[in-house]
Amino acid sequence: AQKVTQAQTEISVVEKEDVTLDCVYETRDTTYYLFWYKQPPSGELVFLIRRNSFDEQNEISGRYSWNFQKSTSSFNFTITASQVVDSAVYFCALSATLSGNTGKLIFGQGTTLQVKP
Amino acid sequence: GAVVSQHPSWVICKSGTSVKIECRSLDFQATTMFWYRQFPKQSLMLMATSNEGSKATYEQGVEKDKFLINHASLTLSTLTVTSAHPEDSSFYICSAWDSSNYGYTFGSGTRLTVV
Repeated sequence: AQKVTQAQTEISVVEKEDVTLDCVYETRDTTYYLFWYKQPPSGELVFLIRRNSFDEQNEISGRYSWNFQKSTSSFNFTITASQVVDSAVYFCALSATLSGNTGKLIFGQGTTLQVKP
Repeated sequence: GAVVSQHPSWVICKSGTSVKIECRSLDFQATTMFWYRQFPKQSLMLMATSNEGSKATYEQGVEKDKFLINHASLTLSTLTVTSAHPEDSSFYICSAWDSSNYGYTFGSGTRLTVV
């Protein structure tokens, strides 16, 4: 069975602080994909990153960075110098078997990030 | 990039009536589409997976006779909430797999309120 756990339900920081959102996953598949999405109050899901199970390189995109560690089954997301516009719900998600008929995308519980001015 | 158009954005209906939600892939063919439901302050829960030309696969606990899914073409999937009740009020969002860029593309969601 596949499972994604985001233990942090809510995080509140002051603008310009760095913040890390944790994500731990479970899967028996050797090939899988991990995702992060941002969901602002409007409800739309904004794609942030996709990482496959064979690529453990960390990634940086502007103020965003991701740390993928297969040894601990974690795929953590860090926002550097947070801004008020970063306030949203962030979801980590897992999909296995992204070939053939495609795999289901399973979401974690989400972490609500509030960045205060 | 890939776009999935979802309509309506919001709908209010009376208890006992049926509501249809449409998702169209605009610039790619979506062999597989997924339907999710999200209650306030909760995560997205997968309801069903629909494959073009075949019956949808429902997740455990989802009533297939209540949530009718039709995926008659490679660009259109519909979810019909039949005999809606207030407890069906939720945010429904669809997703399509775009094999050209190995990504999931989400619709903008439909907020359903049953009164």
